[in-house]
Amino acid sequence: EDKVVQSPLSLVVHEGDTVTLNCSYEVTNFRSLLWYKQEKKAPTFLFMLTSSGIEKKSGRLSSILDKKELFSILNITATQTGDSAIYLCASGDYGGATNKLIFGTGTLLAVQP
Amino acid sequence: DAGVIQSPRHEVTEMGQEVTLRCKPISGHDYLFWYRQTMMRGLELLIYFNNNVPIDDSGMPEDRFSAKMPNASFSTLKIQPSEPRDSAVYFCASSKTGGAGEKLFFGSGTQLSVL
Repeated sequence: EDKVVQSPLSLVVHEGDTVTLNCSYEVTNFRSLLWYKQEKKAPTFLFMLTSSGIEKKSGRLSSILDKKELFSILNITATQTGDSAIYLCASGDYGGATNKLIFGTGTLLAVQP
Repeated sequence: DAGVIQSPRHEVTEMGQEVTLRCKPISGHDYLFWYRQTMMRGLELLIYFNNNVPIDDSGMPEDRFSAKMPNASFSTLKIQPSEPRDSAVYFCASSKTGGAGEKLFFGSGTQLSVL
């Protein structure tokens, strides 16, 4: 059965800290690994990764994929209270008639002033 | 672009009642997904459509759940009869070419509470 596992489940840090969120996946027909941020309601897109070893970066956030070890990390440097959210990892299953994203349960990040 | 539009935003109902959730995807998106989010299980895919045709409904919990997409701009998720364990946030999402290779655009969700 396809699955995506995230760790830690929750994390409390102080402003200015650097955090690393982990995501491992087992997907039959892997196509992509995506990260989303969920603050209040709808998840919003952060990154999509398809190739190993190539870092994607957006401001203080960055992410990398390891297709050999089947995992990805999301790094946030110099955290701010506005980074407090649930971070979701999803893996794309793309084979035959299947074309869908499978989500992990998320990491709840709380950044304290 | 208005984005994915879901209604209602909140729904409170009593056990045994029928619940209908509605979704309007982004125009031009060929894929529509229904997800359910709970604290225990996270975001679970219930069903998805491609060009209005249901492709994978293996995530639909049981026969009480049904989904339709009568045209490219409208989909419904129906629960009949509803039960307290159905309480969750239900999200609709759409994409141009499918979830696996492209980001999804999510609606704001429907918070369902079944008493």
